[in-house]
Amino acid sequence: QSVLTQPPSASGTPGQRVTISCSGSISNIGRETVNWYHQLPGTAPKLLVYNTNQRPSGVPDRFSGSKSGTSASLAISGLQSEDEADYYCAAWDDSLQAVLFGGGTKLTVL
Amino acid sequence: QVQLVESGGGVVQPGTSLRLSCAASGFTFRTYGMHWVRQFPGKGLEWVAFIWSDGQNKYYGDSVKGRFTISRDNSKSILYLQMNSLRAEDTAVYYCGGDPPRSGYAFAVWGQGTMVTVSS
Repeated sequence: QSVLTQPPSASGTPGQRVTISCSGSISNIGRETVNWYHQLPGTAPKLLVYNTNQRPSGVPDRFSGSKSGTSASLAISGLQSEDEADYYCAAWDDSLQAVLFGGGTKLTVL
Repeated sequence: QVQLVESGGGVVQPGTSLRLSCAASGFTFRTYGMHWVRQFPGKGLEWVAFIWSDGQNKYYGDSVKGRFTISRDNSKSILYLQMNSLRAEDTAVYYCGGDPPRSGYAFAVWGQGTMVTVSS
């Protein structure tokens, strides 16, 4: 099954704002909401953003999601060393009747 | 607290079967859609299967369709994944994920994962 397309890596310095992109198609990002997760090594993923731009309780407002057409973005402002992790986007595909994940973006805090 | 605990992973030979379980606690299991997601060693996430909160509809990824079966017992708050005809390429950490109502298929709750190794 096809995946959503993310850059394999991203980086920034503490305090900076970084953006991670996620590209899909009309049948997933174009018509459905997007969710974002991050994952620290050896641990389960954690939900950061759901329904494209909603944050679960406890997730700092430094994390924000958006989408335009068939692309979505996760922005992280005020970058901190603990933000260093793998980030994944995901969305339901209403043609495939499946959840699609992006390939993941490894964020490095320099 | 809100928790999902997977069990049932292990080392099995190709062509054999395995059943994973995912026990839920701390939330209203019967209202959540439930998913299985796997992660290949050193790789990204792959969605495996989804079952509606009432168990009436099920969906599968192409790579497991016809071999894996997702099911749930809402009276016991347990999710299952029956895996048949296992292949080496099914080797992965398997996570269960809970998808609350109106969350847009977001996995708000995750288990800790259980490792499945398929090897002769």
